[in-house]
Amino acid sequence: SAVISQKPSRDICQRGTSLTIQCQVDSQVTMMFWYRQQPGQSLTLIATANQGSEATYESGFVIDKFPISRPNLTFSTLTVSNMSPEDSSIYLCSVALGTGGNYGYTFGSGTRLTVV
Amino acid sequence: SQQGEEDPQALSIQEGENATMNCSYKTSINNLQWYRQNSGRGLVHLILIRSNEREKHSGRLRVTLDTSKKSSSLLITASRAADTASYFCATGPTGTASKLTFGTGTRLQVTL
Repeated sequence: SAVISQKPSRDICQRGTSLTIQCQVDSQVTMMFWYRQQPGQSLTLIATANQGSEATYESGFVIDKFPISRPNLTFSTLTVSNMSPEDSSIYLCSVALGTGGNYGYTFGSGTRLTVV
Repeated sequence: SQQGEEDPQALSIQEGENATMNCSYKTSINNLQWYRQNSGRGLVHLILIRSNEREKHSGRLRVTLDTSKKSSSLLITASRAADTASYFCATGPTGTASKLTFGTGTRLQVTL
């Protein structure tokens, strides 16, 4: 199964600034997923990042606010732009454990973001 | 929006007891998965059950799936303090197996 290194693990940021979160996978994967987990809540999918194409965003999330890069099959970044306190959340990246359907997913350790 | 609703929202038991968590979902699924999250960290995949399966075991974990009722349960037997965590069900939809939708989660506290 894949191992994901995610950083930073936490950050405290001023409103109006941006933070870029990185995920490095130890194997090549086609799709990477970015989730947001607001305090005390469940996970909500932000977007799916494919190498070589634009990320696919879920309803309620836009590229201007959450730009994503996917320069190769092992790496992706998510930027949280022009932050406000409402962006305070845990952000997680994820990849599938296998291929062909009916597989679990592995997650990065998460980035705990606090916007002040 | 959340696909799954889990109950209870919080569960507190003593070490050695069994813990049961339930998950309900709304649409057709390809599979249902359970994850554990410790202290707001990353999620750990526990077990996956396919839509054509009714029960699955992995160590102290037992998962059931009732597609007619659109529900699943996770049973942790002989719980330990280290099982203290939040548990989430997640469904993989038919047709697009890549996208998971998570339930609301159950916070489990196991005390000595």
